[in-house]
This record gives sequence, structure tokens and C-alpha cells, in this order.
Amino acid sequence: AQSVTQLDSHVSVSEGTPVLLRCNYSSSYSPSLFWYVQHPNKGLQLLLKYTSAATLVKGINGFEAEFKKSETSFHLTKPSAHMSDAAEYFCVVSKSGGGADGLTFGKGTHLIIQP
Amino acid sequence: KAGVTQTPRYLIKTRGQQVTLSCSPISGHRSVSWYQQTPGQGLQFLFEYFSETQRNKGNFPGQFSGRQFSNSRSEMNVSTLELGDSALYLCASSLEGAGEQFFGPGTRLTVL
Repeated sequence: AQSVTQLDSHVSVSEGTPVLLRCNYSSSYSPSLFWYVQHPNKGLQLLLKYTSAATLVKGINGFEAEFKKSETSFHLTKPSAHMSDAAEYFCVVSKSGGGADGLTFGKGTHLIIQP
Repeated sequence: KAGVTQTPRYLIKTRGQQVTLSCSPISGHRSVSWYQQTPGQGLQFLFEYFSETQRNKGNFPGQFSGRQFSNSRSEMNVSTLELGDSALYLCASSLEGAGEQFFGPGTRLTVL
């Protein structure tokens, strides 16, 4: 069994300040973990993925995430927020490297960027 | 390379009707998956098709069905719509089912 908990339903930051979106997971397997972003009226876009290689994963648009097995966490960070980062972010755990049968989505975190 | 396309983008139906949604995967991708996204339940996996066969299925009732054609295009059908079926339906494709999935923009279905 696997599950994902995104600890904040909404996060608000000022433009130019750091972003932290928190995600904890539970998995009976060695998990693959992903962060997806969804802009309004758009599909999901993959930001980054962890698949048991380096624990610090760099993604697109300056985002990165660190896999911490001891804390069962996979928090998403960005040093400096941009207005275009305003979107819904989903943490996803997979038992099969991202395969369709094993994807479990978190409830999402709505990121608000204040000017 | 063109991305995943879904048609139509928006659809309004009434309760009791049936609906068919279409998804064209990225060229060369053989796996197509469908997801339902609602404010209350979030993103939920419906089913996955690979080489014209349903390979995996989520926990949805029988009025949700799908199929995949030889060119990997997929359709999702809801036989008898209920108000609770109002949602954004997302399709995703991948090469073999494992690895990264690429999502389409979705079809926004409203059931009145």
C-alpha cells in the first residue's frame, strides 16, 4: 500500500522569496516519487522525479526536491518564486517507476505568489 | 513532437446521457491512462490501456469503460451520466506504461 500527504493545501509567498511545498509519503516498496504542476485549465506537467539515484533531484524552472528516507519526505523547493509559478502542485508516489497502475496522487498544494 | 491531445476540451451533458471522450497519445507511445480529477476526490486513476488491452483498472463503477485502437488512440465512455461525474478527465501517455507519463490538457465534463 502507498499514500501521499501534502501537508499544506495552500501556500502563499511573495515574489522573489523561497518556496517550500511539503510532501510525506508512505510506501511498502522502494518508491519512485514525482512532483507535477498544473496550471489553470491545463494538464499536468512533470517537474521532477526521484527513482533511487541521487537524493537531491533538480527539475525544471529552478525547482528541486530532496528525498529523505528517514523522514519519508520529498519536499519541493525553489530559491526565488516567480509570478508564473502560481499553480497547483501534486506530489505523486509510484510503486513501479511511474507506471500507470501504481500512481498515487496527493491532494495538491495551491501555490499563490504575491506581487 | 506533438503532445497528448484530448477532444473535446469542454462538454455539457445531462444526467442519464452517455458520453465518449477521445485521447490521442504522443506518437510512439503505446500506453494510455485515464484519470478523473474532482475538487473533492482529487486525482484518481480510472484505467490504463496498452496495445489495445486494458492492463490496469482503478476503483470505478462499471459505467466507466474505455478502449484503445491499433494506432494507440483511446476513448473513454460513461454509459449513464450522474451529477457526480462532473470532472476534469485527464489522459496520459507513456512509452510502455512505466516511467514518465505525459498528460493532455483534459476534457472538462459538466453534467446537469
